[in-house]
Amino acid sequence: AQTVTQSQPEMSVQEAETVTLSCTYDTSESNYYLFWYKQPPSRQMILVIRQEAYKQQNATENRFSVNFQKAAKSFSLKISDSQLGDTAMYFCAFMNTQGGSEKLVFGKGTKLTVNP
Amino acid sequence: NAGVTQTPKFRILKIGQSMTLQCAQDMNHNYMYWYRQDPGMGLKLIYYSVGAGITDKGEVPNGYNVSRSTTEDFPLRLELAAPSQTSVYFCASTDPGLAGGRNEQFFGPGTRLTVL
Repeated sequence: AQTVTQSQPEMSVQEAETVTLSCTYDTSESNYYLFWYKQPPSRQMILVIRQEAYKQQNATENRFSVNFQKAAKSFSLKISDSQLGDTAMYFCAFMNTQGGSEKLVFGKGTKLTVNP
Repeated sequence: NAGVTQTPKFRILKIGQSMTLQCAQDMNHNYMYWYRQDPGMGLKLIYYSVGAGITDKGEVPNGYNVSRSTTEDFPLRLELAAPSQTSVYFCASTDPGLAGGRNEQFFGPGTRLTVL
């Protein structure tokens, strides 16, 4: 079974600075997807960024980028120019593409606080 | 589009009571999921469905039942509520063919359930 580990329960950053959230995963599959979801206090789950395992290029979405290290099974999220609205729980998630069910396995999350 | 909707938003149950959490989506997605999120934890998959009439167990199915008679609706049934089922429940949907290959799961706003 796949597992996802987020080793940082909480992090804080000053507004406008850069922060990196860590995620490691365990799988024997070669083809899969990785995601970062944001959960603000409203509880809504919002997709931040996704990475396909067969793509070597790291995904970027505006201020959000990932460092995907397939051999190390590492998938960290970098947030540049942090904003107060980035304060939220961040969940790393793994999707196995085998079997066609598109199921997600989530880490326990990292609580990020952006300070003014 | 309303996206994924869930009712109710909040509910308090007594031990042994039953209830159904409703989930509906208007995006014509074939795949639907139920997750639970316990305090300080990530989301865990309860049940999922890849199409009308097809359901399967996830990681934590005990104490729950589902049905999928239409593409739009995916209700989750709790038959004999227990304190261990106190959690926030999320419904999600996706369809790789319609999502432009993004594999993104779209989440509802969640239902906070307390069993006393």
